[in-house]
Amino acid sequence: ETGVTQSPTHLIKTRGQQVTLRCSSQSGHNTVSWYQQALGQGPQFIFQYYREEENGRGNFPPRFSGLQFPNYSSELNVNALELDDSALYLCASSPVAGVETQYFGPGTRLLVL
Amino acid sequence: AQKVTQAQTEISVVEKEDVTLDCVYETRDTTYYLFWYKQPPSGELVFLIRRNSFDEQNEISGRYSWNFQKSTSSFNFTITASQVVDSAVYFCALLITGTASKLTFGTGTRLQVTL
Repeated sequence: ETGVTQSPTHLIKTRGQQVTLRCSSQSGHNTVSWYQQALGQGPQFIFQYYREEENGRGNFPPRFSGLQFPNYSSELNVNALELDDSALYLCASSPVAGVETQYFGPGTRLLVL
Repeated sequence: AQKVTQAQTEISVVEKEDVTLDCVYETRDTTYYLFWYKQPPSGELVFLIRRNSFDEQNEISGRYSWNFQKSTSSFNFTITASQVVDSAVYFCALLITGTASKLTFGTGTRLQVTL
């Protein structure tokens, strides 16, 4: 196990609702990245947080937002949920931003009805 | 733009067979990193290996081995004497240095090992 934890494990929401997913990074890691993995696809980069600041963003709309806290845990917020937001959301932590290996948590499976 | 291609969608082998998973990448950067991750049915991505663009030495770790060839932009993964526990989806990923350490993943290869 990597020491990266995510909650909840599963979530069901309806279209238009808002959702918050949580991630605790591995001890000693100050960088958290979020990925979305649709069924049958590879993970897609949403954004990364380094020392509480957004450090880069993929091609996701502004309704995907995040936070990182002083203890380096992180939240992913998605507003105005759409059916296509149904996916596995993966959080990864690394010791620093840059080229360090990212270690992933177990993910949160979100279903939007 | 970066791209990773895993042309093999699904592979089925019988236990103890050797199997090679292919990965081809595209990037204009000269400094980059390549990774392999394993995703069992539980969903968690398990890190297997990381290789930087300046190190073309092949690597062996137990039954796993990796062949990195810059000339063909490939980073292939071989499992020797496969076991049922190797059944999973395997992802190859590319990381470019820059503002964010963003991993670009391929679409994955599902490996099914049967008795």
